[in-house]
Amino acid sequence: AAGVIQSPRHLIKEKRETATLKCYPIPRHDTVYWYQQGPGQDPQFLISFYEKMQSDKGSIPDRFSAQQFSDYHSELNMSSLELGDSALYFCASSRSSYNEQFFGPGTRLTVL
Amino acid sequence: GEDVEQSLFLSVREGDSSVINCTYTDSSSTYLYWYKQEPGAGLQLLTYIFSNMDMKQDQRLTVLLNKKDKHLSLRIADTQTGDSAIYFCAETGGYNKLIFGAGTRLAVHP
Repeated sequence: AAGVIQSPRHLIKEKRETATLKCYPIPRHDTVYWYQQGPGQDPQFLISFYEKMQSDKGSIPDRFSAQQFSDYHSELNMSSLELGDSALYFCASSRSSYNEQFFGPGTRLTVL
Repeated sequence: GEDVEQSLFLSVREGDSSVINCTYTDSSSTYLYWYKQEPGAGLQLLTYIFSNMDMKQDQRLTVLLNKKDKHLSLRIADTQTGDSAIYFCAETGGYNKLIFGAGTRLAVHP
């Protein structure tokens, strides 16, 4: 069965650089969620989209922005990167009428 | 506020049952979830329970929900070394976002 695809899987950036993370949801899933998991921590909700509109916002820094496109894929844009942004970034998708969220493999971002 | 708590570590012998406990605070959560995370890997949805259920069984997994005490547990029967991982319970917050506990690290030894 098709799963959530995230790219890239690993990313290394310098401080103050920008990064773009991509997420391709499971086919027919219309809702995308982004989570950040710092080292040894639990995943923290960042932002979500339903039918290309932002549906909820969590502890996402102003330096980050995201959107969902017409094909339902989503991108998380991160600017002015800081050392503390080093984390695993997960994307999850679901169908609006169902609650199960299926997670992608994550993108490991390392900021040097 | 929304908060999910779990014990941080559990060690069991191979073949025994494991019970991982979780307490949550948001009584309006529609679903409660258990996710498994192996080292360096993603989050695997193990099972979930609807808030109007008391118990759900799925092969070796049994989920018990006590709504009065806001207590959720995951029992793994016949625990194997491949079950060694971090187990997160999660409740649903507004707009279906997940709120995770800190995770319980399960170590299975021979």
